[in-house]
Amino acid sequence: DAGVTQSPTHLIKTRGQQVTLRCSPKSGHDTVSWYQQALGQGPQFIFQYYEEEERQRGNFPDRFSGHQFPNYSSELNVNALLLGDSALYLCASSLGRGKNNSPLHFGNGTRLTVT
Amino acid sequence: AQSVTQLGSHVSVSEGALVLLRCNYSSSVPPYLFWYVQYPNQGLQLLLKYTSAATLVKGINGFEAEFKKSETSFHLTKPSAHMSDAAEYFCAVSYTGGFKTIFGAGTRLFVKA
Repeated sequence: DAGVTQSPTHLIKTRGQQVTLRCSPKSGHDTVSWYQQALGQGPQFIFQYYEEEERQRGNFPDRFSGHQFPNYSSELNVNALLLGDSALYLCASSLGRGKNNSPLHFGNGTRLTVT
Repeated sequence: AQSVTQLGSHVSVSEGALVLLRCNYSSSVPPYLFWYVQYPNQGLQLLLKYTSAATLVKGINGFEAEFKKSETSFHLTKPSAHMSDAAEYFCAVSYTGGFKTIFGAGTRLFVKA
């Protein structure tokens, strides 16, 4: 049973560029959440997708956008990259129709470096 | 605002000693509480969760945590540390009516031989 998979594992981009990160949830999970983890900090909530719609959003600018597909996989897009966007981006899936007491299952993340 | 505070960004214990990692949350409504562990270059893994069934929660790898409403705390303990317990530990909280899980800043556990 495959867990949460994320691609790519590492990415180097230049300021101003755009990036797309991808996530496949754990089998049977219907909800995908994205988190940004800066070095030495805890994960910060970006947004959550359920039934192909953004259900809740954290304190991130509109440069951060996403999408969920009918097979529950998801993409995170970041436009006009800034140096401060350098971080580990974590995808987490959960089940139970997005109930908030359902534990998160995390992928290993995508390490984004902006130069 | 809802938040999670982990006291101590770094904790160092000797192998075989008690592990105690502290977590306090701010909430005006009953929370759901979680502890996650992160090993280097990996995502987070669930250690245990509290969802109002029992105040003492047992998790994987010998860890447990006790929910104390009067202290708004959910501290993580393990009676005897192993070298393999060295990792970053995150306390997290979610609430009825919301969808996001809020994480603390993390505590890095070092285990000395």
